[in-house]
Amino acid sequence: EAGVAQSPRYKIIEKRQSVAFWCNPISGHATLYWYQQILGQGPKLLIQFQNNGVVDDSQLPKDRFSAERLKGVDSTLKIQPAKLEDSAVYLCASRAGFVAFFGQGTRLTVV
Amino acid sequence: TQLLEQSPQFLSIQEGENLTVYCNSSSVFSSLQWYRQEPGEGPVLLVTVVTGGEVKKLKRLTFQFGDARKDSSLHITAAQPGDTGLYLCAGADSNYQLIWGAGTKLIIKP
Repeated sequence: EAGVAQSPRYKIIEKRQSVAFWCNPISGHATLYWYQQILGQGPKLLIQFQNNGVVDDSQLPKDRFSAERLKGVDSTLKIQPAKLEDSAVYLCASRAGFVAFFGQGTRLTVV
Repeated sequence: TQLLEQSPQFLSIQEGENLTVYCNSSSVFSSLQWYRQEPGEGPVLLVTVVTGGEVKKLKRLTFQFGDARKDSSLHITAAQPGDTGLYLCAGADSNYQLIWGAGTKLIIKP
């Protein structure tokens, strides 16, 4: 079974630029999460989708972050404009039952 | 707001020693998962515990779910350098929402 695919693996941008991350969840998984993980800390939920609908985006900084999952499969997360404090690993996960399966993440460095 | 507290936050021990990591909450969870994350990678599932009092063993790792399904522990026997990583617990509530602990950073020195 293929895992959760994310791209790119690494991205370096200057502050105030924009960036987009892509996620392809495990086939058939209706629930998709985007997490932000600061080095050495646990994941912080940014947004949760159930199919193509948003379940929870209470911790998404909506003035600069946006996410979509138009067809209920792939998802993109965008940051515009980026700030220095956005430097982190962005993890995508999809869920089956109780268990979340993670992609390798995208390491974003904002300089 | 449900919280899941992990302790210790950081642990550095010598190879061969034993250790226990704790995950505690005042809330009841339908299940609890333990993940291990290596630098540069996403978290990887180690185990899921569902029944109160359940004990699962994975080689040198022993996982226990509290009787009341509010807490869990991970015990590693004879730790090895390959056990180094960030250990995360996550509880699933009745709505399948995942609540994450902040993680325990474990370093095993040769």
